[in-house]
Amino acid sequence: EPEVTQTPSHQVTQMGQEVILRCVPISNHLYFYWYRQILGQKVEFLVSFYNNEISEKSEIFDDQFSVERPDGSNFTLKIRSTKLEDSAMYFCASKGDRGSNQPQHFGDGTRLSIL
Amino acid sequence: SQELEQSPQSLIVQEGKNLTINCTSSKTLYGLYWYKQKYGEGLIFLMMLQKGGEEKSHEKITAKLDEKKQQSSLHITASQPSHAGIYLCGALNYGGSQGNLIFGKGTKLSVKP
Repeated sequence: EPEVTQTPSHQVTQMGQEVILRCVPISNHLYFYWYRQILGQKVEFLVSFYNNEISEKSEIFDDQFSVERPDGSNFTLKIRSTKLEDSAMYFCASKGDRGSNQPQHFGDGTRLSIL
Repeated sequence: SQELEQSPQSLIVQEGKNLTINCTSSKTLYGLYWYKQKYGEGLIFLMMLQKGGEEKSHEKITAKLDEKKQQSSLHITASQPSHAGIYLCGALNYGGSQGNLIFGKGTKLSVKP
């Protein structure tokens, strides 16, 4: 069964450094999402992406964050200057179409640790 | 903004026992999703409910959405160790337009052999 893949599974970075998290969504999906989960807290929406542009973003997704789909398969989340509070599990998800009856499929996540 | 409350927060059951997890929304639900998360892994889609009174089953797991579309329950019959994990309910964000989801805090299920 097709799945969303994320790399790396664990990223350790010094505070202030840039980090790029990578995702390969399911190949025929059109809608892409990033969520994060701080340890012990809820999964929170960050950003949605469709037709090569951001379609919606949360308050968390400030100027330090950016997303890109550099080619036909990868979907990346960049954090420009990481802070301690960016430490979290980051999940990528994709969905086939806009219909509300389509579930989002999630990757296994990237655990980001900021030192 | 919409909030999802799950209960209980954690649950320990003996293998073979039935259990129910609840998810209550502060607003009408227009799409309710149940996911399972194993520690350190991603979210696995289980079921989606949309219509009031809807009920869906997959293997030993049944999910229901009440008529008012503000509460959903997940019922596991004859639990097995493979059912252990964190169960999350997610809902289409009331104010979102692109189908982003909001989630409850999750219910951690442990099944004792």
